[in-house]
Amino acid sequence: ETGVTQTPRHLVMGMTNKKSLKCEQHLGHNAMYWYKQSAKKPLELMFVYNFKEQTENNSVPSRFSPECPNSSHLFLHLHTLQPEDSALYLCASSQAVNTEAFFGQGTRLTVV
Amino acid sequence: QKEVEQDPGPLSVPEGAIVSLNCTYSNSAFQYFMWYRQYSRKGPELLMYTYSSGNKEDGRFTAQVDKSSKYISLFIRDSQPSDSATYLCAMSGNDYKLSFGAGTTVTVRA
Repeated sequence: ETGVTQTPRHLVMGMTNKKSLKCEQHLGHNAMYWYKQSAKKPLELMFVYNFKEQTENNSVPSRFSPECPNSSHLFLHLHTLQPEDSALYLCASSQAVNTEAFFGQGTRLTVV
Repeated sequence: QKEVEQDPGPLSVPEGAIVSLNCTYSNSAFQYFMWYRQYSRKGPELLMYTYSSGNKEDGRFTAQVDKSSKYISLFIRDSQPSDSATYLCAMSGNDYKLSFGAGTTVTVRA
């Protein structure tokens, strides 16, 4: 248990569906992140929230919509995804923006 | 040129051997360096965190940073089958953006 919990662990969705990924951290950290991990590729930073404020949107398509209601929770809302969006989506948190990040177990997303 | 280069392997070693992993980078602003271990179907787990140049040891793991050469290393002594995983290097400057290597897959044979 890393202190960062992601749900669901697995998700299969059609291209017309709307779903949400949830992340909760129990570490008292101030920064939270969404990463995408595709096979054989480096982790790609998607979004950064620092003290609930979005500070980075790394050219992510609008079909991915983040939400950070408080410093402990982070959501990723998904709609009209494409098959190439299938990947492992990882949430992470850190005490501050330049300290080590701790990851959740990820959500394995398959778009059919 | 990728910001962080890491040989994807795979790397296969016998139990008890020393595992040597490394990454090179191009951004001279990087000063925070991390190594993560990722088991199949799991999230990355932080192994080592170092700031600036030098060595850091934690049990069987040693991390080295050479900023002059833009080169970082992770050594695993007395490797065990349970060390079989993908190892990711990551680094950042004075911002929140971690840049990752692609990961090296390691198998330790019993």
